[in-house]
Amino acid sequence: AQKITQTQPGMFVQEKEAVTLDCTYDTSDPSYGLFWYKQPSSGEMIFLIYQGSYDQQNATEGRYSLNFQKARKSANLVISASQLGDSAMYFCAMRGLTGGGNKLTFGTGTQLKVEL
Amino acid sequence: EPEVTQTPSHQVTQMGQEVILRCVPISNHLYFYWYRQILGQKVEFLVSFYNNEISEKSEIFDDQFSVERPDGSNFTLKIRSTKLEDSAMYFCASREIRFGTSGGTQYFGPGTRLLVL
Repeated sequence: AQKITQTQPGMFVQEKEAVTLDCTYDTSDPSYGLFWYKQPSSGEMIFLIYQGSYDQQNATEGRYSLNFQKARKSANLVISASQLGDSAMYFCAMRGLTGGGNKLTFGTGTQLKVEL
Repeated sequence: EPEVTQTPSHQVTQMGQEVILRCVPISNHLYFYWYRQILGQKVEFLVSFYNNEISEKSEIFDDQFSVERPDGSNFTLKIRSTKLEDSAMYFCASREIRFGTSGGTQYFGPGTRLLVL
């Protein structure tokens, strides 16, 4: 079974500062994918960034980067130069190989609030 | 940019009624999913669908639920007899058949907010 743990229910950051959202995972699959999604108050789920378990380099996508530490089973999201529009719920998710459909397993999320 | 669409955006129904939630996945995607999110909680997997059949389903997806791809574009979730606890946001998602460099990223629709009274 796969498990995602997000231990920060809420985080505050000042505008233009960087923030790290924590995510740890557990799986027995030899190959897996890790994803971050953003959910603004309007409710939609927006894909941000993907990291494959065999990728040698940490993923980056604009102001988003993923600090992937495989031995520690962590996949933290780093948002640089925070903007007011970054205020949202952020979910870490994992996709494994078992089950046939490659479903996503989500964490409980971190509510990020960007302040002036 | 292609996107997943869902209709309706909101649905209010009486307990025991049937509801059908509709989704149009991204056109070249072949894997389709339904997830739900009860208010304030995490997103939960319901079912995955490929090649006109269910490839995986969760414990939540009992006999009250069914999915269908009635034509080449729509993907539907039917709840036969709704219960109060079915009130949630329902998300449709789709992905390409291969993982490739995107890792099989699932793209989500905007959701249907279902309220069962």
